Amino acid sequence: GAVVSQHPSRVICKSGTSVKIECRSLDFQATTMFWYRQFPKQSLMLMATSNEGSKATYEQGVEKDKFLINHASLTLSTLTVTSAHPEDSSFYICSARDPRAGGDEQFFGPGTRLTVL
Amino acid sequence: QKEVEQNSGPLSVPEGAIASLNCTYSDRGSQSFFWYRQYSGKSPELIMFIYSNGDKEDGRFTAQLNKASQYVSLLIRDSQPSDSATYLCAGDFGNEKLTFGTGTRLTIIP
Repeated sequence: GAVVSQHPSRVICKSGTSVKIECRSLDFQATTMFWYRQFPKQSLMLMATSNEGSKATYEQGVEKDKFLINHASLTLSTLTVTSAHPEDSSFYICSARDPRAGGDEQFFGPGTRLTVL
Repeated sequence: QKEVEQNSGPLSVPEGAIASLNCTYSDRGSQSFFWYRQYSGKSPELIMFIYSNGDKEDGRFTAQLNKASQYVSLLIRDSQPSDSATYLCAGDFGNEKLTFGTGTRLTIIP
């Protein structure tokens, strides 16, 4: 159980384009999902908390107009990087809590590696 | 500010020995802690979580939590080359979000 998928796993795009990343909980319903970003040799940095049916909560310093999050159903959250630039190149990872687990542990998707040329 | 700190390593341990990974945190109100393993280029994988003071064992892994001293550790017994990875310590400080340490890179030497 507690399987989280992401799509695509890797994307290369030109500067100025927008990229959408999908995060799905495959075997459970997730009212809350989390989006992280990880630069090389650094730890995970939480970008935002995605809540089903409501607006996402962004961490300080994260531009909500640049990183659009939509959590339209209990199994799907999307992150759209708008007008991407080379400095947005990073490893984007989503996670979700499995309510069946009864605890606070988060289960991570496999990640999406974004390269902006 | 709530912080989780780890020694970045690298930590080298001979195969078959015990690897000891440590983590300290700054918020006494923290409730639960998690150890994740991350292979290069992959996303984190949950190894163990611990909520209460003391030890928690799962196979070759033992998590230890000492809330009075504000540290949490992970012991890996009978280390294997496949244990070579970066280990991330994370704390839930009661706001449903995880705060991650910078990770410790562990290398098991055959």
